[in-house]
Amino acid sequence: DGGITQSPKYLFRKEGQNVTLSCEQNLNHDAMYWYRQDPGQGLRLIYYSQIVNDFQKGDIAEGYSVSREKKESFPLTVTSAQKNPTAFYLCASSIVGEKLFFGSGTQLSVL
Amino acid sequence: EDQVTQSPEALRLQEGESSSLNCSYTVSGLRGLFWYRQDPGKGPEFLFTLYSAGEEKEKERLKATLTKKESFLHITAPKPEDSATYLCAVLGGSNYKLTFGKGTLLTVNP
Repeated sequence: DGGITQSPKYLFRKEGQNVTLSCEQNLNHDAMYWYRQDPGQGLRLIYYSQIVNDFQKGDIAEGYSVSREKKESFPLTVTSAQKNPTAFYLCASSIVGEKLFFGSGTQLSVL
Repeated sequence: EDQVTQSPEALRLQEGESSSLNCSYTVSGLRGLFWYRQDPGKGPEFLFTLYSAGEEKEKERLKATLTKKESFLHITAPKPEDSATYLCAVLGGSNYKLTFGKGTLLTVNP
């Protein structure tokens, strides 16, 4: 089945630790995105990539990093510089300029 | 900068009680307006794309409409399984990234 796979579903971070969230898609989409969702808030864009080996900062990129070495994969690293990382993280992909398909999300919490 | 405002923030309906959700937007050059449904702890699920004023789309009990300034999601005779958060997003300009509203939490009581 075609789709987007995010892992893990739940992740816990210790203070000072970097953690990486995985996102893989087999929809052959060029564009991939990372959003952060806090309770009662809309989706806020962290990073997006429209082509392999290229990505752009979204509205809240500070404390996060990404890579796009393969078309299918767009991992997100939450660094120790992100002081308030507890949130629901959503990965999405699309044909550029068209509707987004979302993964099932990763809930990140701080120990 | 593109902006999306959804109202109300929360809506509680009785089963069978029809209503509408609102999505007001400002965007430079609308390329598309999108409606999504999100259940708790899950990723958003695509419902509709609208491209130009006057366009309407329907799916089961849901109907989405679009004007130059806002979109409505009409829910006819809702059922408890329609309970979810409904998100609106716009794609505008030349940067090809969606801007989302904060959503409307819909609760349908049996």
